[in-house]
Amino acid sequence: QKEVEQNSGPLSVPEGAIASLNCTYSDRGSQSFFWYRQYSGKSPELIMFIYSNGDKEDGRFTAQLNKASQYVSLLIRDSQPSDSATYLCAVGTGANSKLTFGKGITLSVRP
Amino acid sequence: ETGVTQTPRHLVMGMTNKKSLKCEQHLGHNAMYWYKQSAKKPLELMFVYSLEERVENNSVPSRFSPECPNSSHLFLHLHTLQPEDSALYLCASSLGLAVYEQYFGPGTRLTVT
Repeated sequence: QKEVEQNSGPLSVPEGAIASLNCTYSDRGSQSFFWYRQYSGKSPELIMFIYSNGDKEDGRFTAQLNKASQYVSLLIRDSQPSDSATYLCAVGTGANSKLTFGKGITLSVRP
Repeated sequence: ETGVTQTPRHLVMGMTNKKSLKCEQHLGHNAMYWYKQSAKKPLELMFVYSLEERVENNSVPSRFSPECPNSSHLFLHLHTLQPEDSALYLCASSLGLAVYEQYFGPGTRLTVT
């Protein structure tokens, strides 16, 4: 069974710090990797996606993928209180790119 | 994400009722999905449609019946639900079935009494 694991959290960081969110997956055939942000009472919002090994940067966000270690992470630089949310890791596998989601980790950025 | 809309946003129904959830995407995508999100559980994929054809039915009970009349609209028909079916039901769409990003609608918060 395909699994996506995220640290249970919650994770608390001070404003301005780097928040590091980690995710591991079990299926070596996985091809696509996504990070969603979900505010309380809202739906998931796609913030980053990565398909190749290495780093991908978009503003304050950096996604890192290491397929050999089956590990994907999200770094949030200069964390802001508005970054406080639950972050969901999702992994796509197969021709239909069925997404398997982790349980999510709640990030709290302290002013 | 205003590209994917869902109605109603909130629904309370009894176990003997029949209701339908509606999803519409304005992104020109070809694939649409239904997910269920319960407290303390990961998002669960329920159904996948590509170009109006169902390509995935993830062992969902028959009291949930999807319908996709065209690539922009997706329905989830509900009947004789159980209290444990209370959850947030999310619709998503993507350009295609391959390694494409999925975009979610705002969801329907369903309560079964």
